[in-house]
Amino acid sequence: DAKTTQPTSMDCAEGRAANLPCNHSTISGNEYVYWYRQIHSQGPQYIIHGLKNNETNEMASLIITEDRKSSTLILPHATLRDTAVYYCIVSSTGTASKLTFGTGTRLQVTL
Amino acid sequence: GAVVSQHPSRVICKSGTSVKIECRSLDFQATTMFWYRQFPKQSLMLMATSNEGSKATYEQGVEKDKFLINHASLTLSTLTVTSAHPEDSSFYICSALVQETQYFGPGTRLLVL
Repeated sequence: DAKTTQPTSMDCAEGRAANLPCNHSTISGNEYVYWYRQIHSQGPQYIIHGLKNNETNEMASLIITEDRKSSTLILPHATLRDTAVYYCIVSSTGTASKLTFGTGTRLQVTL
Repeated sequence: GAVVSQHPSRVICKSGTSVKIECRSLDFQATTMFWYRQFPKQSLMLMATSNEGSKATYEQGVEKDKFLINHASLTLSTLTVTSAHPEDSSFYICSALVQETQYFGPGTRLLVL
């Protein structure tokens, strides 16, 4: 699986958009970009994933650059409950869909 | 999203005993489940891939005789930590694969005294 690079930590004011970047310059053509988050002492929560098109769901938007070497997770209106470690992971799908977790970005949402 | 449960949520056991952790998919069937371990202030590390009706595939460095995995049905996988020692104390998390996505359980915190 391709490696990803994320900032160690970020701060965001409550109510503002949180934009979390991720670099994955060695991503392969059949690998998806997945985003998960982990709130302290809980299992990871799936947020969103995509291959090359931008994706949006009720939680977030995922913007993938045209060359697929980087992406940005956008939480449109961050709340205190969004404080967590956010993991960007690239992985192929199917039975080979192992997820390799890096260190992620610790997002702190503040008042 | 799909719901995955784990039981127990936390367990304390004496050194040398065995502990079984259950992972259940509540509203779907999962042919493939995964077991991860997370030590304090570290990221999740994949231990093994569990496939229903077949032997689990273990990651390098994970002892298959110590961490027994059984995936006997499409909704249940179990991880048994045999002869547990204090260094096995950790946060154990399972996930279930639904189409392209893994959904995680809430985790089981194991403390071995």
